[in-house]
Amino acid sequence: SAVISQKPSRDICQRGTSLTIQCQVDSQVTMMFWYRQQPGQSLTLIATANQGSEATYESGFVIDKFPISRPNLTFSTLTVSNMSPEDSSIYLCSVDMSGNTEAFFGQGTRLTVV
Amino acid sequence: GENVEQHPSTLSVQEGDSAVIKCTYSDSASNYFPWYKQELGKGPQLIIDIRSNVGEKKDQRIAVTLNKTAKHFSLHITETQPEDSAVYFCAASPGGFKTIFGAGTRLFVKA
Repeated sequence: SAVISQKPSRDICQRGTSLTIQCQVDSQVTMMFWYRQQPGQSLTLIATANQGSEATYESGFVIDKFPISRPNLTFSTLTVSNMSPEDSSIYLCSVDMSGNTEAFFGQGTRLTVV
Repeated sequence: GENVEQHPSTLSVQEGDSAVIKCTYSDSASNYFPWYKQELGKGPQLIIDIRSNVGEKKDQRIAVTLNKTAKHFSLHITETQPEDSAVYFCAASPGGFKTIFGAGTRLFVKA
């Protein structure tokens, strides 16, 4: 199993600003994933982050808006840039320990943009 | 790409009754089907999963069935308790680390 810590757990931000969310895992993992969960909705994959390479973004998400860092095998950050109220969501970090098996999630970051 | 549909969106049961949530998927290459429970203010937590070489799996009060031919799978919770109240997500994985989630079912267990 894996223990995933996300920071911050919640934040209220002004539109036009940026927020960086941190994800720390208690063991080394190859793949880390960032999801967005809009209020009352399901989880939508934003991007997949591999250590040592550029993140792979899903359709509808771009690096300029959601830059991702993956400096080592236990840590990743997601930045939500130039925020607007439409970015208000829960952002979740996830890891897959060994490929196509159980995914572990952090507790999420609840972002409100005013 | 894979598409996962989940029904119902809301389910209300009396404590002690059973709850059934159903999902269908579109990609026949999907071979891993996890179910997640999400409580308020928390991230999703895996509660049970099934692979395409198995038709049914049970863990205490929770069971999952898979029909590969029909491309549907279901979650069964027996003897429901108030603490089972949460949002449940089904998901399908066609491989390559990608997991597609259903829309979620909000389960209410009335005491």
